[in-house]
Amino acid sequence: LAKTTQPISMDSYEGQEVNITCSHNNIATNDYITWYQQFPSQGPRFIIQGYKTKVTNEVASLFIPADRKSSTLSLPRVSLSDTAVYYCLVGEYRGGGADGLTFGKGTHLIIQP
Amino acid sequence: DSGVTQTPKHLITATGQRVTLRCSPRSGDLSVYWYQQSLDQGLQFLIQYYNGEERAKGNILERFSAQQFPDLHSELNLSSLELGDSALYFCASSGDPAGQSRNEQFFGPGTRLTVL
Repeated sequence: LAKTTQPISMDSYEGQEVNITCSHNNIATNDYITWYQQFPSQGPRFIIQGYKTKVTNEVASLFIPADRKSSTLSLPRVSLSDTAVYYCLVGEYRGGGADGLTFGKGTHLIIQP
Repeated sequence: DSGVTQTPKHLITATGQRVTLRCSPRSGDLSVYWYQQSLDQGLQFLIQYYNGEERAKGNILERFSAQQFPDLHSELNLSSLELGDSALYFCASSGDPAGQSRNEQFFGPGTRLTVL
């Protein structure tokens, strides 16, 4: 599994755009990049997944450069409720079924008023 | 609400004891995963079951075991409990792999285990 490196913590203010970058230098050809969000004492929640270029959904965007050695999760116009831990995961998606996820330490994002 | 339920929500027990944690996956999901989250180790994958069969093992101790029943609910059994087993235990589920377009798992609210 490719090792991921992301900031331990970040802070920002309500209404700002927040970008969290994850490094994964050893990403393999079949690996996908997935981000999860976790609030205190709750289970993680899937945010977004991508393979290359840009992916956007209703809550976030994921930017992946051509070399795929890093990725950036972008949260537009954050609010206090976006305060959480964000995990970057890199692993192979196999059509035969999802595997156990490998979580790192994550990034503690704190949003201030 | 992810659709995954776990019971009990809290569990306090003594060292050396045995406990069983229960998980009901989302309706129709065939895969169940167990994770342990402690302050020092973070969130760790323990084991996965798919349609009643063990599919993958992570960092699960020999004192721990799990099973998935015909109705797809799962139980995680923890025995000879130690202080270090105190943690949040999450269950997650995912759907039929043939129908999956991404590696998304749905996590339950967790069981907080305290070993005294």
